[in-house]
Amino acid sequence: EVQLLESGGGLVQPGGSLRLSCAASGFSFSGYAMSWVRQTPGKGLEWVSAISGGGYTAYYADSVRGRFTISRDDSKSTVYLQIDSLGAEDTAVYYCARDPPKGYSGWAYWGQGILVAVSS
Amino acid sequence: QSALTQPASVSGSPGQSITISCTGTNSDVGLYDYVSWYQQHPGKAPKLILSDVTKRPSGVSDRFFGSKSGNTASLTISGLQPEDEADYYCNSYASTPTPSWVFGGGTKVTVL
Repeated sequence: EVQLLESGGGLVQPGGSLRLSCAASGFSFSGYAMSWVRQTPGKGLEWVSAISGGGYTAYYADSVRGRFTISRDDSKSTVYLQIDSLGAEDTAVYYCARDPPKGYSGWAYWGQGILVAVSS
Repeated sequence: QSALTQPASVSGSPGQSITISCTGTNSDVGLYDYVSWYQQHPGKAPKLILSDVTKRPSGVSDRFFGSKSGNTASLTISGLQPEDEADYYCNSYASTPTPSWVFGGGTKVTVL
């Protein structure tokens, strides 16, 4: 059974940093690209970042490029999202999701989500 | 990376059919058949119901049907049931200027 478990969220002050982790199990982690998607309170979904299998290529949404860094440790079956210079607009539930085995469409597996709250 | 456009809300009675539109541009929806749809109930993670415009994952009801014409994709739910009341989001791959994925703003489906 595919499982994704996020951790590392919490309350952080504006300008602060946080590292989110997503531990995966139930599939061959190194063979899959992984993504982070966030959802602001009461609002819609926003794709944030993706990393290729093996970690060779990373992609970012314009809204987070330069502040967020995605990485992965295939030996730990874990993907990370380093979030720096946090602002109120980054307050959201952050989900990790497994990319499809091929193509660019359809996140079939999601974590339960982790809340990041930015407030002084 | 502009958001795709969805109606804020759609409603229907049990047994009816409803259609949710998702309008993008010729850089995303119009260029690729990489449109997916997600159903989200309150407090839950999104659930994939369609990928590659029309493909239903295993276990998803065949009451969910996807299509695309030009820059607009559509999700049709037939035989509306109370459990279909949820938020629905479309998503498309886009490659300009850099590879990215863009969501629609979401549509609240209400079963009357």
